[in-house]
Amino acid sequence: KAGVTQTPRYLIKTRGQQVTLSCSPISGHRSVSWYQQTPGQGLQFLFEYFSETQRNKGNFPGRFSGRQFSNSRSEMNVSTLELGDSALYLCASGSGSGYEQYFGPGTRLTVT
Amino acid sequence: GESVGLHLPTLSVQEGDNSIINCAYSNSASDYFIWYKQESGKGPQFIIDIRSNMDKRQGQRVTVLLNKTVKHLSLQIAATQPGDSAVYFCAEYTGGFKTIFGAGTRLFVKA
Repeated sequence: KAGVTQTPRYLIKTRGQQVTLSCSPISGHRSVSWYQQTPGQGLQFLFEYFSETQRNKGNFPGRFSGRQFSNSRSEMNVSTLELGDSALYLCASGSGSGYEQYFGPGTRLTVT
Repeated sequence: GESVGLHLPTLSVQEGDNSIINCAYSNSASDYFIWYKQESGKGPQFIIDIRSNMDKRQGQRVTVLLNKTVKHLSLQIAATQPGDSAVYFCAEYTGGFKTIFGAGTRLFVKA
C-alpha cells in the first residue's frame, strides 16, 4: 500500500505570494491532518479534515486554510506569505477514528 | 495553554547502551500518549503509544512509562543501535482529532 505523498517536496516563494500544497493520503484513509514544523516551534497542528469537513484547527492566522476533496486528497493554502512561514509542512492521514496517523515526507517551504 | 515539553534537547549514548528520553505534559485530560521517531528527511513515524489508564507498555526494544502523578512520560530504548539516531517526539491526544507534539529530543548513538 502506498504511503502518504506530498507535492511539491520543495518550494521557494517570495514574501507576499501565496502557495498551495497538496497531500494524497493512504488509500482508504479519510482523515488528513496538517502540521507546521519549525526549529523554534516544533510540530504545530494546523487543521484536520475528515470527509471534506474541517473537524479541528490549531492557532494559526486566517492566512492558513485548507480543504479536502471527495477522494480524500487535501490541499492547504497560505496567502500573503511571510518570512516566518518558512517551514516543513507535514501531512498525515488516518482512518479518522482516533489519533493513529501516518505522516508524509513533508513539503519544505522557503519564503525569501 | 496546551503544552507537551521535553527535558533535554539532545541525548548522546553509546551503541549498546539503553536510552531514556523524558517528556513532561500539562493536560491531565489526555487520553493517549504517543512517541514518534523522525529521521532526517522523513516525516514522524509512530513508535509506541500508551493509554492514560496505563503505567507501562512494552514494544520491541522500547518501553513507555507514564507517571500521571507528576505528568511525566518516558521512552526507554534497549540496546540502542545506530539506526535509532533520530529526533524523538512525545505527543498527546485529548480527543477532538488533534495531536499536540512536544519539542523533540535528538538522540545521537555513538559507535
